[in-house]
Amino acid sequence: RKEVEQDPGPFNVPEGATVAFNCTYSNSASQSFFWYRQDCRKEPKLLMSVYSSGNEDGRFTAQLNRASQYISLLIRDSKLSDSATYLCVAPGGGANNLFFGTGTRLTVIP
Amino acid sequence: EAGVVQSPRYKIIEKKQPVAFWCNPISGHNTLYWYRQNLGQGPELLIRYENEEAVDDSQLPKDRFSAERLKGVDSTLKIQPAELGDSAVYLCASSLAGGPGTDTQYFGPGTRLTVL
Repeated sequence: RKEVEQDPGPFNVPEGATVAFNCTYSNSASQSFFWYRQDCRKEPKLLMSVYSSGNEDGRFTAQLNRASQYISLLIRDSKLSDSATYLCVAPGGGANNLFFGTGTRLTVIP
Repeated sequence: EAGVVQSPRYKIIEKKQPVAFWCNPISGHNTLYWYRQNLGQGPELLIRYENEEAVDDSQLPKDRFSAERLKGVDSTLKIQPAELGDSAVYLCASSLAGGPGTDTQYFGPGTRLTVL
C-alpha cells in the first residue's frame, strides 16, 4: 500500500463552484499533514498545513480525520487561478520523511 | 530573500553519459532534500541531509546515483551512467530544521532531465 493515495482527477469545475479532494494516508502515527500546490512545469509550493482536526484559510479548508486516516481539501468559490495540481503530503516511513501523493489536477472553467 | 536555486534548469544527455545537478538552499536552512518527480507523479525523496550528514538515503539508487553536501550548504546530485528511465524533474528543497514532519519545505525550480 502506498503511504499516501489520492484521486488523480482531473477535476473540471466551473468558476464559483465548490470542489473537494480527498487523500488517505497509511501511517496512523502521523501528526502533521500538508497540501502543496503545483502549477504546470513549476515547483510545489505549500498551500496549507494541518496539525489538528482542520485548518481554514480564506476559501480553502483542510480537514483531518484521524480515525479514517484521510485528509480533505475544500475549495469554495473556485477561481480560474485555482487551476493547478494539488499534492497531499504526509509523514511516513521510519525516518519520518514526507510522502507526496500523485496529485489531483484541478481545472476551473470560465 | 532568494529562494532555493538550482542549475541547470534543463539538461539533455545521451544514455550512459554522466550528469550533475547543483542546489543552493535558502540561507540558514540546515535540511536539504533531493526529490525526483516523474510525469504525473508526486515528488519522491532520494536523499535528505541534515547539515552535511546524509540522514536518509534509503531511496537513492546507489549503483548510479551519488550526492554530496560539502560544508553543509550547497549540494550536488550526480548520475553516472544515466539511463533512459532517469528522465524526470529533479527537485531540491530546503527547510530550517526540526525534521520533515514539522518544517515547511521550500522547493527550487527543478532540473528537467531528458535522457535520449
